[in-house]
This record gives sequence, structure tokens and C-alpha cells, in this order.
Amino acid sequence: GDSVTQMEGPVTLSEEAFLTINCTYTATGYPSLFWYVQYPGEGLQLLLKATKADDKGSNKGFEATYRKETTSFHLEKGSVQVSDSAVYFCALSRGSTLGRLYFGRGTQLTVWP
Amino acid sequence: GAGVSQSPRYKVAKRGQDVALRCDPISGHVSPFWYQQALGQGPEFLTYFQNEAQLDKSGLPSDRFFAERPEGSVSTLKIQRTQQEDSAVYLCASSLAEQPYTEAFFGQGTRLTVV
Repeated sequence: GDSVTQMEGPVTLSEEAFLTINCTYTATGYPSLFWYVQYPGEGLQLLLKATKADDKGSNKGFEATYRKETTSFHLEKGSVQVSDSAVYFCALSRGSTLGRLYFGRGTQLTVWP
Repeated sequence: GAGVSQSPRYKVAKRGQDVALRCDPISGHVSPFWYQQALGQGPEFLTYFQNEAQLDKSGLPSDRFFAERPEGSVSTLKIQRTQQEDSAVYLCASSLAEQPYTEAFFGQGTRLTVV
């Protein structure tokens, strides 16, 4: 069945460090891929998305490229800030399940000044 | 409203008690989704609606769970005879349409604790 696997956290970085959070997926067909972020005390928010192979989603300095050959959608940021501290979720959806999202278990990121 | 509204934010229930969790989607959105998020896990799909029709309820964990949306706006998730394993955050999301690439907007969730 459809599933998403994220690297386990927590991830702790100093400000301005480079961030990578790995995400791989299993799905039939051609899923759409997403990264959602949950800041402390807030609801899940869409961070970025990619709907087909080789697409790059980007937002707020974060990027992720849809790699069909490696079934991956790794999240990267060149220079993290304290305000990026949050839980990050990789997710996918398929057309046949009409918008239902399959989430990874989340990766807690803490950035220290 | 400006966003997806869920109530209550927190609910403590005694084991065996029935609970009802409310979701008020963004005005004009046709598809509310319900997810269950256990501590330290990602959200797991429960069910979703398109307008008044419940199109997929395959994620409901048992027959103690059911959802309704009688008038096509507010959706309610009901859990009968709650058990400790039902303790989780219940998230509601809504989107303009059921297309897979349409952004889903999430509420802040209801944290249910069964004691």
C-alpha cells in the first residue's frame, strides 16, 4: 500500500546550518508529494508541493525535488533559522484516493541560536 | 470563517463515554477530511466527505467511530464507548475540491484524552 518513510528525529542544528530531512515513498502510479510543517501550538500548514516527476517545490527557502527514480522527496534548506523549529511531515496523495493524504511520522527540528 | 475551526480544543473523557468532535470547514470548501494523530506519529486518515456524501470511511478504526455532515457544512466525528487507545489528536482538514494537488487546510485539532 501507499506509505511514506521519513528520517527519524529529532534533528538539532545551529542557526545557519544546512538542513536535509530525508523522505522516501511507496505508491502505485504517480502520486503528488507534499511537505507540511507544524509550528508549536499551531495546525499543520502546507510548506511546499510537487505534482510530477522532476518538479521542484520551494517556499520560505525550503526546497524539495520529486525524484521518481529514487522515490524520494528530500527537504533541504541552505541556512536554517531559529524560527524554523517545528515538526516537518512528508506526505503523498494519489488521484484514485481523491485527496487522501498519507503522512510520514514527522521529524522534529530544533534550531539553536 | 478565516480557517478551519475545531471544537473543543481539548476533551477529557472517561472510558466508555461517548464524545462528539466538531469541525467547521472553511466557507465554500466541499471536502472535509478527518485524521487521527497519535502521539509521536503522523496523521492517519479516517474519513472524508464531498458535500453531504461520505465518500470514503475506510480509515475508521472500528464501528465505534462514525462521522456525519448532515447539512453540508459542519462535520461531526463521534466516538462511542471511548477506549484508552482512542486518545489522540483528531484533525480536520478542508479543501476546495477533492483533487489530490489541491491544498488541504488543517484545523488545530481536538486533543482527546480517555482516562
